[in-house]
Amino acid sequence: GESVGLHLPTLSVQEGDNSIINCAYSNSASDYFIWYKQESGKGPQFIIDIRSNMDKRQGQRVTVLLNKTVKHLSLQIAATQPGDSAVYFCAEGISGYSTLTFGKGTMLLVSP
Amino acid sequence: DAGVTQSPTHLIKTRGQQVTLRCSPKSGHDTVSWYQQALGQGPQFIFQYYEEEERQRGNFPDRFSGHQFPNYSSELNVNALLLGDSALYLCASSLPVSGNTIYFGEGSWLTVV
Repeated sequence: GESVGLHLPTLSVQEGDNSIINCAYSNSASDYFIWYKQESGKGPQFIIDIRSNMDKRQGQRVTVLLNKTVKHLSLQIAATQPGDSAVYFCAEGISGYSTLTFGKGTMLLVSP
Repeated sequence: DAGVTQSPTHLIKTRGQQVTLRCSPKSGHDTVSWYQQALGQGPQFIFQYYEEEERQRGNFPDRFSGHQFPNYSSELNVNALLLGDSALYLCASSLPVSGNTIYFGEGSWLTVV
């Protein structure tokens, strides 16, 4: 289930389940969005991105959905594996500037 | 193809001291950004360098300064360190146009005591 911990929301799933991580972004002018995975002690690792002219984009085992009406972004991970355990951040950017504003992050815990 | 590399990986400094962190961008990238990530938080944008000049700056005091060299590598300098400056400092490289993937290094862990 999903819970709010002291610092980060946490999503706990079983291996093989599908995971959905949600993110509310803040700036209605943002027009591209990226999901990053960050393992303990490491830098953020690019997963998938999407531009505002799309509402869905698929990668390998991952899908990003964008709802601009409610400024909501989600990351779906199919057949979640223990190696997917990490903190996941959504980030938003604006065309013309290659800088990002990050969300708070969600910790995904995958049990074998 | 080397990704974004940062040094040092860990360091400990005393309050009031100065620190310099270094970053080499991914091959082919000419834009370098620096982010600060406090424990349990998302990265916060500090500033961005392109063509050896600061192009954008986030909400950080003047104690935070930087530099970009002709080979696109970059330094982040923090003066008069405070305990609250303890964080993971991340370097990100990209092409200057948005929509291109932004790659992060593994970061430099700074502890101020």
